[in-house]
Amino acid sequence: GAGVSQSPSNKVTEKGKDVELRCDPISGHTALYWYRQSLGQGLEFLIYFQGNSAPDKSGLPSDRFSAERTGGSVSTLTIQRTQQEDSAVYLCASSLTYQQETQYFGPGTRLLVL
Amino acid sequence: KNQVEQSPQSLIILEGKNCTLQCNYTVSPFSNLRWYKQDTGRGPVSLTIMTFSENTKSNGRYTATLDADTKQSSLHITASQLSDSASYICVVSLYGGSQGNLIFGKGTKLSVKP
Repeated sequence: GAGVSQSPSNKVTEKGKDVELRCDPISGHTALYWYRQSLGQGLEFLIYFQGNSAPDKSGLPSDRFSAERTGGSVSTLTIQRTQQEDSAVYLCASSLTYQQETQYFGPGTRLLVL
Repeated sequence: KNQVEQSPQSLIILEGKNCTLQCNYTVSPFSNLRWYKQDTGRGPVSLTIMTFSENTKSNGRYTATLDADTKQSSLHITASQLSDSASYICVVSLYGGSQGNLIFGKGTKLSVKP
């Protein structure tokens, strides 16, 4: 596709439910990143992938958060047993390589946990 | 502590006027500094990337400056347009760090009024 796409665009869920967020990076981009943006806060790094592997998982806030990437393309971010503090915009970005080149962001998934 | 501070937090200007946004950072070792524009409900879009040796970089009506000695950067917008209304995010990356070492500012919200 022309850009990074994410789905769903909006997600409302109940506390305790699991949610799965999807990211389709730009074709050919080997690096993929997940960020979280809470209201009034800066972007918070969660995890990045180089190919299918995740060298840096340091940003995942808890063991309820996990992510995977298959085929060097699509990635899913899973949040188990959601909490109200998980409410945020989850942004995905991709870049040609992992070496700090320009990242292209998707539109984000707005998650609201009731 | 590695931090990126942006000012002002918000700004309202009239269409056609110029404005300057500030970014101060305490990130070391420094690799590069980026400015992103984020429209409401959209993902950030890269405007400029500057390394240690670059003092200024332009992208159309956007001009970013960097003073690595004082650890300050500015983003100057010339002849503002209504479409410039957005949040502008300053991001500093750590030299030799992984993608987890991108330090994000909280952004300046710019409103351009007719």
